Amino acid sequence: DAKTTQPPSMDCAEGRAANLPCNHSTISGNEYVYWYRQIHSQGPQYIIHGLKNNETNEMASLIITEDRKSSTLILPHATLRDTAVYYCIVRAYNTDKLIFGTGTRLQVFP
Amino acid sequence: NAGVTQTPKFRILKIGQSMTLQCTQDMNHNYMYWYRQDPGMGLKLIYYSVGAGITDKGEVPNGYNVSRSTTEDFPLRLELAAPSQTSVYFCASRLRQGEGTQYFGPGTRLTVL
Repeated sequence: DAKTTQPPSMDCAEGRAANLPCNHSTISGNEYVYWYRQIHSQGPQYIIHGLKNNETNEMASLIITEDRKSSTLILPHATLRDTAVYYCIVRAYNTDKLIFGTGTRLQVFP
Repeated sequence: NAGVTQTPKFRILKIGQSMTLQCTQDMNHNYMYWYRQDPGMGLKLIYYSVGAGITDKGEVPNGYNVSRSTTEDFPLRLELAAPSQTSVYFCASRLRQGEGTQYFGPGTRLTVL
């Protein structure tokens, strides 16, 4: 699976959009981009995933660049409850495993 | 349904003791996983299972054993606990091959003294 690079930490004001970048320059054609988050010491929570098209669900939007070498997770109106560590993971369709890195710690402040 | 449940929530072991961490899922998922997370780090895969009776090693299997006799249960056994096994352990499941979304349990915080 391709390796990902994320900034270790980011801040965001409550109510503003949080844009979390992820670099995956070695991604191959059959690999999906997944985003999970971990709030405090809870189990990770699935957010969204995509292959090449942009995706949106009730939690977030995922923007993948045309060359697929990077992506951005967007939380449109961040709240204090979005404070968490966000993991960007690249995974091949037929792979059984997820490889977690150290993620981005997002701090949402009032 | 309850999703993925883990017991116990907390446990303190002495060096050399053994214990089993329990994991149960009620979503009829084929795949189940055990991860450990050390402070400030990401999750590392210990073992996983693609169905009842089938298990395989992950990144850090040493010191652990697993079994999968039913679809619902995937216990993790620690033999001869060591301080290096102090960690938070998460169990996860997903439905089938190709479906990448994993659902995680709340975790078990284990301290070995």
